[in-house]
Amino acid sequence: GAVVSQHPSRVICKSGTSVKIECRSLDFQATTMFWYRQFPKQSLMLMATSNEGSKATYEQGVEKDKFLINHASLTLSTLTVTSAHPEDSSFYICSARDPGLGNEKLFFGSGTQLSVL
Amino acid sequence: DAKTTQPPSMDCAEGRAANLPCNHSTISGNEYVYWYRQIHSQGPQYIIHGLKNNETNEMASLIITEDRKSSTLILPHATLRDTAVYYCIVRVGGGNQGGKLIFGQGTELSVKP
Repeated sequence: GAVVSQHPSRVICKSGTSVKIECRSLDFQATTMFWYRQFPKQSLMLMATSNEGSKATYEQGVEKDKFLINHASLTLSTLTVTSAHPEDSSFYICSARDPGLGNEKLFFGSGTQLSVL
Repeated sequence: DAKTTQPPSMDCAEGRAANLPCNHSTISGNEYVYWYRQIHSQGPQYIIHGLKNNETNEMASLIITEDRKSSTLILPHATLRDTAVYYCIVRVGGGNQGGKLIFGQGTELSVKP
């Protein structure tokens, strides 16, 4: 199946700093990628839809100025957590569809565990 | 997208079939049933999906009732590595970009020796 690579897998940062997470589609082009976050013992929560060449679409309650999304190419979307605080500590996961596989399956990255001290 | 209801947890003996139920009584005619699973601290993994007919692949079988208001995911011979949270999701399929997936709480399956 298609491969979605996410980097870094784990990051620890100080409160007030910004953290960038990368999501790459390795063997296909993805015009749309999705970003989720997951707190311990909870389900995945959709944060935003990343659209190549245009602005991301954010879910209700997600601060677009806090979570900056850039989708500058067909294989790369980035999520930047700006001025991170301990409450932003979470598991962040990206996903994408491979148009060549009919757009029905969503492939996920391995996730990024963010810990803000 | 239609809401789904799943039991929060289930146990299964290793080597036996695991049958995971899902209720989606408000499903619309053009909505597909998807199953994903998430092993601890990893990204979710696609398992199977279907619209009306039962489906089978190398991982599992999906049985959808005739009225489409419920479905069952079957892992025919569960192994310890099948221990995971299983998510049943209903959404409109197709289109150039496909629809977004909204995850519910899922079923935590524990396969025991």
